[in-house]
Amino acid sequence: DIQMTQSPSSLSAFVGDRVTITCRASLNIMIYVNWYQQKPGKAPKLLIYTASRLQSGVPSRFSGYGSGTDFTLTISNLQPEDFATYFCQQSYSSPRLTFGGGTKVEIK
Amino acid sequence: QVQLVESGGGVVQPGRSLRLSCAASGFAFSSFAIHWVRQAPGKGLEWVAVVLYDGSNAYYADSVKGRFTISRDNSKNTVSLQMDRLRPEDTAVYYCAKDMASLPSPASAIPDYWGQGTLVTVSS
Repeated sequence: DIQMTQSPSSLSAFVGDRVTITCRASLNIMIYVNWYQQKPGKAPKLLIYTASRLQSGVPSRFSGYGSGTDFTLTISNLQPEDFATYFCQQSYSSPRLTFGGGTKVEIK
Repeated sequence: QVQLVESGGGVVQPGRSLRLSCAASGFAFSSFAIHWVRQAPGKGLEWVAVVLYDGSNAYYADSVKGRFTISRDNSKNTVSLQMDRLRPEDTAVYYCAKDMASLPSPASAIPDYWGQGTLVTVSS
């Protein structure tokens, strides 16, 4: 099975900051990484797919980058509504998939 | 708009069975694979199973293989998850989610729309 390792597991930041979350795959998965945002008590929301494509309706302050084994999600100009938990997910082994452990973004 | 509504969760004893349902609307249901993903309390996301657009093929996580069965009824726009021989570690919120890819691609493993989830608690 493909393992997805996210870091950090949590971080604190100010409104307006630039935040970067990293995800590392256990093998080369090309560009088949997706990113989700989840707020407490809510379902996950797709933000980025195939490493860098912005899902419709998602603000442009969210961006994704990477290929092979190393991937990043960056939130520029962090907004109050961005405080949430973020998960990476690999779709290389379609139709099966696996998620990273999550990164909780909290207000400093 | 795309809508997915789960039902059937509840409290069940270890070793017993439970059947979850997912009712879909707002998209061409029979053209998309549907996933089940679960989340234990305070934990991360775990993929459970997927059924392809016509129900001809289904795939499972190792943790549920042989105990859970996913199926779909395209005439009713519903997907079911039959959960047998339940264990305490199956306790979680269960989400159904639509796959992003439509025919002719069978699946992309990118769940793009999710339901709000239904809670399953396995406890004596």
